[in-house]
Order: sequence, then structure tokens, then C-alpha cells
Amino acid sequence: GAGVSQTPSNKVTEKGKYVELRCDPISGHTALYWYRQSLGQGPEFLIYFQGTGAADDSGLPNDRFFAVRPEGSVSTLKIQRTERGDSAVYLCASSLNSWGSPLHFGNGTRLTVT
Amino acid sequence: AQKVTQAQTEISVVEKEDVTLDCVYETRDTTYYLFWYKQPPSGELVFLIRRNSFDEQNEISGRYSWNFQKSTSSFNFTITASQVVDSAVYFCALTGGGNKLTFGTGTQLKVEL
Repeated sequence: GAGVSQTPSNKVTEKGKYVELRCDPISGHTALYWYRQSLGQGPEFLIYFQGTGAADDSGLPNDRFFAVRPEGSVSTLKIQRTERGDSAVYLCASSLNSWGSPLHFGNGTRLTVT
Repeated sequence: AQKVTQAQTEISVVEKEDVTLDCVYETRDTTYYLFWYKQPPSGELVFLIRRNSFDEQNEISGRYSWNFQKSTSSFNFTITASQVVDSAVYFCALTGGGNKLTFGTGTQLKVEL
């Protein structure tokens, strides 16, 4: 079956621009997560959705970052006024609706802000 | 607050050697889950194993085995008879009362011929 799909796989943008990163989770998975991974580091939690609502957005670094999941399936991570420090791999994961369920990750979107 | 420490940044072994990757965790939750993930050069994180805090039985899956010791807050991962295809970054992770998964910084394993 299809895994978690993320588009684009690579995104290069100029400082100050707006970007959207898309995640299509595994069918039937109600939980969806966004993580950010910098070079040589482990993934860092950004936000978690249960259905359409953000159950925990404590990892979003500031108000330039926002994510939506309007129909409880596909999610979009939006970054306004990008900064060079936003450059990283943005990972999306999904899981079944039960605590402790393993997360299944996509291949990520590599964002480079020039 | 939860924390996962993987003190080994990089390990190099020769093929067929056994290797153990260390993981030490901190949590105030009495119930929690521990995980290991593999991240090969292709970049995708691959789930390997999950263990809940009430189950301290060690587990073996082929060449992989895991040693969970609550007394020392450790969840170590051993690869027996390592192979070149085992070369990857391995992450230990923890989830407690919420669904947020906290990762360690990873151990880069290089298996050479």
C-alpha cells in the first residue's frame, strides 16, 4: 500500500518568501505529525493533528509557522517570511489513532532558504 | 520533560562484527513507549521496534535484539553479525503522556567490508 507522501521533495526559496509543504498520510491514519530535522540532528517535533484539529502545536517555533488539515487527511505546513534558519528537512508522519502507535514517516521535503 | 540521549555519535565496525547502540532516556511518566528507527542514506525513517514501559522482556528479531532495562533507563540495540546494509543513522525515541515523540540525536553506524 502507499506510504506517506510529501511534496515537493526539494524546495529552494529566497529569504522572505512564503512556502507551502504538503503531506498525504497513509489512508486510515487519523493522526498526523510534522517534524523538522536539521543536519546531524534528530527529528524535532513541530505539530500533531488528530483528525482535523491541531492537538499539540507546542513545537512550532514562532508565528511564521502554521499548519492545517482541513478534511482530516492531507496536511499543509505553511511558512511565512522564510529565514535562512528555516532551512532543514521537514518530515511528515502518520499513525493509527492509538497512543504509542508507531509513526510512519515520509521521505521529507528538503527546504533551502537562500 | 522528556529526554533521549544517544552518547555515541558515530560507530565504525567491520562486517560480521557485533555492535551495540546505546540509548538512555529520562521521563516523569510512569507509562511510556520506546522506539528505535533507522534512517538509511535515502533519508526515510524506518520503524524498527516499539516497547512499552511495562514490558521489560528483551526481544530478538533476526540479527537485531533489544535490551530494555528500566532500572538504568536504558533501551540498547544490538546488531549481530553486522552487514554493510546496516549502515545508517539509528534513532532512539520516547513518547510519554502525549503523542509527541522525542528523538535522540542519533548514532551513525558505518559497517565496512
